[in-house]
Amino acid sequence: GIQVEQSPPDLILQEGANSTLRCNFSDSVNNLQWFHQNPWGQLINLFYIPSGTKQNGRLSATTVATERYSLLYISSSQTTDSGVYFCAVVKFRDFGNEKLTFGTGTRLTIIP
Amino acid sequence: SQTIHQWPATLVQPVGSPLSLECTVEGTSNPNLYWYRQAAGRGLQLLFYSVGIGQISSEVPQNLSASRPQDRQFILSSKKLLLSDSGFYLCAWETAGYNSPLHFGNGTRLTVT
Repeated sequence: GIQVEQSPPDLILQEGANSTLRCNFSDSVNNLQWFHQNPWGQLINLFYIPSGTKQNGRLSATTVATERYSLLYISSSQTTDSGVYFCAVVKFRDFGNEKLTFGTGTRLTIIP
Repeated sequence: SQTIHQWPATLVQPVGSPLSLECTVEGTSNPNLYWYRQAAGRGLQLLFYSVGIGQISSEVPQNLSASRPQDRQFILSSKKLLLSDSGFYLCAWETAGYNSPLHFGNGTRLTVT
């Protein structure tokens, strides 16, 4: 199956800093999503972004499908940004198996 | 707008007892439905998914089963819980078809004692 690697595994930043999280995948994809899991376990869908760039407030994401990676940018980080960020993909034309494969996540801790 | 409800939020059950976790989705029809499990500090493991009433696919052979008795209802069950069944269980839905965003419920934290 497709492999999804996220880096860094852990990131500790001061409030107000910017951060970049990376997701590499081993095959072509037609579906890529970013999720944030807060410290209480709630998982929120941040972006559906199989290609291109999207922005939502202080968060933006870019997927370069031809080079098999995606980046999640967090600007002016706040303590509420803490948690684990997951990237998940569906392999292109993996008919009958169109379910998301999740990476192992990046744990982000924002220090006040 | 669409919403997903999952209950209970927390559950403590003795080994050997039965389990029933329920998930319902509102505001959409014929969604794809999923059950995931997350061990403490770990990633997400897909347990079951369903593309329609009575249609269940199992990803991992184990002590659990799933059922979809109604279009927007997904139930996770066990006849006899094991210690290893402890974890955080998440229900999720997406619009049926092709490549739509996945949305999660708030999860059930299960502790088997």
